[in-house]
Amino acid sequence: NAGVMQNPRHLVRRRGQEARLRCSPMKGHSHVYWYRQLPEEGLKFMVYLQKENIIDESGMPKERFSAEFPKEGPSILRIQQVVRGDSAAYFCASSPGLAGPSYEQYFGPGTRLTVT
Amino acid sequence: QQQVKQSPQSLIVQKGGISIINCAYENTAFDYFPWYQQFPGKGPALLIAIRPDVSEKKEGRFTISFNKSAKQFSLHIMDSQPGDSATYFCAASKGHYQLIWGAGTKLIIKP
Repeated sequence: NAGVMQNPRHLVRRRGQEARLRCSPMKGHSHVYWYRQLPEEGLKFMVYLQKENIIDESGMPKERFSAEFPKEGPSILRIQQVVRGDSAAYFCASSPGLAGPSYEQYFGPGTRLTVT
Repeated sequence: QQQVKQSPQSLIVQKGGISIINCAYENTAFDYFPWYQQFPGKGPALLIAIRPDVSEKKEGRFTISFNKSAKQFSLHIMDSQPGDSATYFCAASKGHYQLIWGAGTKLIIKP
């Protein structure tokens, strides 16, 4: 049973380019969460999605960041016009969502974004 | 109110010793307190979790102690092994999916 998959694992972008991060949840999981981790810090919640719905994006920066979880395919976190401050590790987690959001979230290996 | 304060920032323990990591919170509405283990280059993995209706939970060598009145909880790793060397994060949430994370403790077990 494959875990949460994220790709790419490492992504280098120049300032002003776009970054697209992908997350495939665990099999049978319908809830996806994105977190950002700066060096030497804990994770910070960004957004919570279910299939075709953004449930909570209170942790997302208001500009340049967007997320989606289409009916088919992986969840995508998109960062437009990246800046150096966007350099971080971005983690995706999933949960079964059998009875609403689950406390137990399972994390992928992360995408390490470097903006040069 | 939303913060979870974790200490120490780093910890070195001899093999076979007890590793203790502490966390404190302010929001009394929090009702779920997990600990995650993260190895370099990997995502966090859920280690053990507790709800405030119990004061202690043990799974193998890992124990969470919870002090509701002091608003503190801690992770104890008994008989610490070199393979336990990792960064440990405490977190908290309230009936909610938004985990609030501590800053992490880098644990090194010396052989």
